[in-house]
Amino acid sequence: AQSVTQLDSQVPVFEEAPVELRCNYSSSVSVYLFWYVQYPNQGLQLLLKYLSGSTLVKGINGFEAEFNKSQTSFHLRKPSVHISDTAEYFCAVSVDGSSNYKLTFGKGTLLTVNP
Amino acid sequence: NAGVTQTPKFQVLKTGQSMTLQCAQDMNHEYMSWYRQDPGMGLRLIHYSVGAGITDQGEVPNGYNVSRSTTEDFPLRLLSAAPSQTSVYFCASSDSYRFPPDTQYFGPGTRLTVL
Repeated sequence: AQSVTQLDSQVPVFEEAPVELRCNYSSSVSVYLFWYVQYPNQGLQLLLKYLSGSTLVKGINGFEAEFNKSQTSFHLRKPSVHISDTAEYFCAVSVDGSSNYKLTFGKGTLLTVNP
Repeated sequence: NAGVTQTPKFQVLKTGQSMTLQCAQDMNHEYMSWYRQDPGMGLRLIHYSVGAGITDQGEVPNGYNVSRSTTEDFPLRLLSAAPSQTSVYFCASSDSYRFPPDTQYFGPGTRLTVL
C-alpha cells in the first residue's frame, strides 16, 4: 500500500527566506505526486503535480518540487517566501496500476512565515 | 462556475442524530470524493464515486453512507452521529478517475461538531 510521510509538522521561517518542505513516499510501483495548499479556513488547492517527464516541477506562487525516485522523495521548495505563503501544505500520492486513482495524503506541514 | 459547493458550513449535532452533508459540483466531473480532516491526521478518504450510480469505500467508511444519483451531487449521510465524527469534511471532484490522475477540486468544507 502507498503511504506518504511529511517529515516536519511545523516549519517557521522569516519573510524572504528560502524554505523546503519535505515529503517521502513509499510505493513499489510508479507513482504520481502532488502538493496541495490549504489557506486558513479554506479548502485545498493544487500547487503542483508530477505525472511524468521532467523531475523538476514548477507550480503556482513560485513553488517548485523535485521528484527523486532513488530517494523516494518529492520535496517542495521556494527561494523566497512571503507572509501570504502562511498555510498548511499537503503532499499526496497516487499509485499507478490501481483500477482508479485515489489520493493518499500526508499529515501536513504548517508553514508559518514571520515578518 | 461555482466549482464545488458544500452545505452547511457549520453544524452541531447531538450523539445519535443523523444528518446529510451536501456536495455539488457544476463542472460535469466524473469523480467525486469525501474526506475528513482531523488535526495531525491529514485528509482521509471516506467514500468516492466514479460516476452516477457507482460508489465505493475509502479508508474510513464506517458510520457514513453515500449515494450518487446524478453527476452533480454527492451527499454524505451520517446515520447515527458519534463524537468521533467531529471533524472537518471536504468534498472534492475531478474530471476523470482514470490515469494519469487529474487535479482534484475541493469545496470549502463543513465543520461538524458532535456533542
